[in-house]
Amino acid sequence: AQSVSQHNHHVILSEAASLELGCNYSYGGTVNLFWYVQYPGQHLQLLLKYFSGDPLVKGIKGFEAEFIKSKFSFNLRKPSVQWSDTAEYFCAAFNKFYFGSGTKLNVKP
Amino acid sequence: EPEVTQTPSHQVTQMGQEVILRCVPISNHLYFYWYRQILGQKVEFLVSFYNNEISEKSEIFDDQFSVERPDGSNFTLKIRSTKLEDSAMYFCASRLAGGTYEQYFGPGTRLTVT
Repeated sequence: AQSVSQHNHHVILSEAASLELGCNYSYGGTVNLFWYVQYPGQHLQLLLKYFSGDPLVKGIKGFEAEFIKSKFSFNLRKPSVQWSDTAEYFCAAFNKFYFGSGTKLNVKP
Repeated sequence: EPEVTQTPSHQVTQMGQEVILRCVPISNHLYFYWYRQILGQKVEFLVSFYNNEISEKSEIFDDQFSVERPDGSNFTLKIRSTKLEDSAMYFCASRLAGGTYEQYFGPGTRLTVT
């Protein structure tokens, strides 16, 4: 079935560790991909987005994601996480209304 | 910065009752959406609304659900006869017209059906 999938459901890291969260999409055609973050008790906020052009996109708070068409992937990365990055992260494709299942990130101080 | 707002933040209702969840999208946005997230599960698309009509809906959005834009600012989701399985967080979102597809989300309404 066409969808967006996130394979890491819960990730625990120590501060300063590097982060990579996986996102794969399984549909053809135009690709518009997003990463959203939901901090505890808050609403979904856009981290970054990809529509076309440079496959490496930079977002807010030091996050970046790389679109790799051959792998159907749009993984989220951050070189050094902070305790304040503790949140749930969602990959989405809104031209198809697909949401990933989310990855809960817990950063230990 | 403009935000999508939703009221109430938490609604408790009895099975079989009607509920209306309210959203105020960002004022110059033209596309409106409802999503839901059952506890522990993924966010699911319900419906999209443009130009005063439903443009797309999912299988979840059956005859028990309806949406309305009663005036120039509100966008509502009505559930006619709530079931226990309707308990979820309901998110409203909106976006500009055009090809960016970026959606702005409200804080959500937690609906608890008892």
